[in-house]
Amino acid sequence: SQTIHQWPATLVQPVGSPLSLECTVEGTSNPNLYWYRQAAGRGLQLLFYSVGIGQISSEVPQNLSASRPQDRQFILSSKKLLLSDSGFYLCAWSVQAEETQYFGPGTRLLVL
Amino acid sequence: DAKTTQPPSMDCAEGRAANLPCNHSTISGNEYVYWYRQIHSQGPQYIIHGLKNNETNEMASLIITEDRKSSTLILPHATLRDTAVYYCIATPINTGGFKTIFGAGTRLFVKA
Repeated sequence: SQTIHQWPATLVQPVGSPLSLECTVEGTSNPNLYWYRQAAGRGLQLLFYSVGIGQISSEVPQNLSASRPQDRQFILSSKKLLLSDSGFYLCAWSVQAEETQYFGPGTRLLVL
Repeated sequence: DAKTTQPPSMDCAEGRAANLPCNHSTISGNEYVYWYRQIHSQGPQYIIHGLKNNETNEMASLIITEDRKSSTLILPHATLRDTAVYYCIATPINTGGFKTIFGAGTRLFVKA
């Protein structure tokens, strides 16, 4: 069966510090991968998606970036965090060309 | 892409059926109706999806009207653990998940 992992589970970072969140998927090959952000009490906002290694599409302009160095690894990064980057970051995967998404447990980020 | 409309919140008594409505009057013929739920502080969980026919799985039933302009998610015997935000989404077929737009959803409270 497929599983998706995210770490860390929670993170407190100062403004201006770098960020690296990691997501890995097991039990499937060549998945579509997604990064979402959810601000407190709000809906999910799609940040990035990837259909293959090195292929990243950005949905909204921001100071975040994403990379996919391996087939089942998706990384969300920032060089300098802003207060507005605080939120709940969710990684998800889907089978290529299918719509059903399976989400990880999320990383709660607080920027102070 | 079709927009969906859901009531912001609903209550249900434990053990009774929870019927969550969704309006998608502008849905096109090539869009699925998807339902996800998000329990507090967790990632969203896929529940069910359908195109035209009613669908049932181990979690819920999905009833889609004949004109496809609305649907109802039915949890047949709600438990306290079903308290969550439920998202109804119209998403295009065979495009991958990157056109899945999460709105505000319905916050379901299951009460003892």
